[in-house]
Amino acid sequence: DVKVTQSSRYLVKRTGEKVFLECVQDMDHENMFWYRQDPGLGLRLIYFSYDVKMKEKGDIPEGYSVSREKKERFSLILESASTNQTSMYLCASSPTQGTIKGYTFGSGTRLTVV
Amino acid sequence: TQLLEQSPQFLSIQEGENLTVYCNSSSVFSSLQWYRQEPGEGPVLLVTVVTGGEVKKLKRLTFQFGDARKDSSLHITAAQPGDTGLYLCAGAYEDGGSYIPTFGRGTSLIVHP
Repeated sequence: DVKVTQSSRYLVKRTGEKVFLECVQDMDHENMFWYRQDPGLGLRLIYFSYDVKMKEKGDIPEGYSVSREKKERFSLILESASTNQTSMYLCASSPTQGTIKGYTFGSGTRLTVV
Repeated sequence: TQLLEQSPQFLSIQEGENLTVYCNSSSVFSSLQWYRQEPGEGPVLLVTVVTGGEVKKLKRLTFQFGDARKDSSLHITAAQPGDTGLYLCAGAYEDGGSYIPTFGRGTSLIVHP
């Protein structure tokens, strides 16, 4: 069964901490994405990557960075966590650009910043 | 700007009722997808529609892609409590040679026994 695995289901961090969210996919997909999901706002794209060591800003990149050193791993970094970054974070991957092949999502990381 | 507008935002119905969820855009999409998300989990792909006017069925779920490829609908017949969840439509738009995914804000469906 193909999978996107996010390292933590729940995470509680303090304001100002540096936070790493890890995502690993086992499908040899080229493309990986990080979203945050908030009630009433839907899924908002933070960063995406269409190749190793490549990254592109999404709609809301401020306060975040990413790293893709290997094809299967895409990390989201909160440089200095703030309370407004409390959210559900979803990682996804896809074999092609566009939607024709679909996105496979991880189960999400619910991050609370206190 | 929300490229994909979903309606309604919320639906609360009784088991056995029918319902339709809409996904509309002013832009043309080469394909649209529908996902279902259960609480605490990531979205799961239900279907991809590619051809204008296309209709796809998945058991009691019927998906339609508009002729102009700007809108789609999801119809559920005889809803069951197991259909409860957040339904999301998704597409991708081209920007500088890359395809950027975009999602509607979702329709939250509750089916009461």
